Amino acid sequence: SQQGEEDPQALSIQEGENATMNCSYKTSINNLQWYRQNSGRGLVHLILIRSNEREKHSGRLRVTLDTSKKSSSLLITASRAADTASYFCATVLNAGGTSYGKLTFGQGTILTVHP
Amino acid sequence: DVKVTQSSRYLVKRTGEKVFLECVQDMDHENMFWYRQDPGLGLRLIYFSYDVKMKEKGDIPEGYSVSREKKERFSLILESASTNQTSMYLCASSSWGPAKNIQYFGAGTRLSVL
Repeated sequence: SQQGEEDPQALSIQEGENATMNCSYKTSINNLQWYRQNSGRGLVHLILIRSNEREKHSGRLRVTLDTSKKSSSLLITASRAADTASYFCATVLNAGGTSYGKLTFGQGTILTVHP
Repeated sequence: DVKVTQSSRYLVKRTGEKVFLECVQDMDHENMFWYRQDPGLGLRLIYFSYDVKMKEKGDIPEGYSVSREKKERFSLILESASTNQTSMYLCASSSWGPAKNIQYFGAGTRLSVL
């Protein structure tokens, strides 16, 4: 089963609005990451938040992490048509030094931003 | 910038063929990964390698094998392609350094097995 589950599966908004995507996971993590995928292309890393962090910002992106609820959210502020893409959360399990940085991905949220 | 290059964007193969998907990275990364991506299932890890000639099974290794003879190159092999292996295949790499968990992806290979 997927470690990360994302909600909603699809989100449609107008340019200028904020977009919020949520991710839940099941087991203890070392860190959680968000990736973006444009249609038919590879994934691009957006932001990483460690298990001892609660919030992180990068440009128009804001990520929060609640380890007690095993959940994270990605907020994109003032969205643009170019933000249209699929967004995935990915977790690195808290497995000591042997995880080799393996990521477990959620199923993704498809974001459509209308001009 | 890190560059991960997959040899083909699109491939069409016949059932039973042996298929090679090649991936090359130019950042001297130790770790390399092969995923497949299917609608509704997200990305699933097939195999990964943490060093030359070292490999570990991921979540769905059945029907696949891998080869890592050089640090920069990681090949995925479908020994006898089947229609249920029609999918998008993504290669990624990462380092052992402070940013070791960040993976860099290739553009993907969309494989159709007929």
